[in-house]
Amino acid sequence: DAKTTQPPSMDCAEGRAANLPCNHSTISGNEYVYWYRQIHSQGPQYIIHGLKNNETNEMASLIITEDRKSSTLILPHATLRDTAVYYCTTISGAGSYQLTFGKGTKLSVIP
Amino acid sequence: DSGVTQTPKHLITATGQRVTLRCSPRSGDLSVYWYQQSLDQGLQFLIQYYNGEERAKGNILERFSAQQFPDLHSELNLSSLELGDSALYFCASSVGSGGYNEQFFGPGTRLTVL
Repeated sequence: DAKTTQPPSMDCAEGRAANLPCNHSTISGNEYVYWYRQIHSQGPQYIIHGLKNNETNEMASLIITEDRKSSTLILPHATLRDTAVYYCTTISGAGSYQLTFGKGTKLSVIP
Repeated sequence: DSGVTQTPKHLITATGQRVTLRCSPRSGDLSVYWYQQSLDQGLQFLIQYYNGEERAKGNILERFSAQQFPDLHSELNLSSLELGDSALYFCASSVGSGGYNEQFFGPGTRLTVL
């Protein structure tokens, strides 16, 4: 069973904000939401994570709904280098150390 | 550059053979994770080591084994290779052993079994 569901693909114009949604309706109370991305066949790259509050770092912002059943990753000013597959996953600190990725969202940033 | 190094970058071998993939974690990281990524199955967790000891096991075949050495580098050994073992193999490292530690991935080793 997939823990998260994401749209298979999205397009975004260069310079605009990219908003990538993720549903994680079965998330438990001690699970964090993590976002990674993978550019072509390179190693996945950590972007951001959060528990219940919105988070922001130099790469992106993460908005988590109050019921924690969904979240949105925001790339504020998408560039061509942001074209990648974006993976949303949930991780419990209570023993599930491994990352599990679904199919992710293929984001294409268009000039 | 994540700071995690993997060698070799590419490996082409024949069925039935044995290969060894090597990973050096980021300086200061004690955990090493191995993942397999194939087109049809996505990213699959294989095994985790923390400071030299096995910490978690995933979908790792009996033909595969791994270890982490005192200098913290790790090796993944794949034996009796089959066509279906062709995939990208990633190593990742993190500071701690728990699920809240972000993982930094290496560039991967592309294994082709002919």
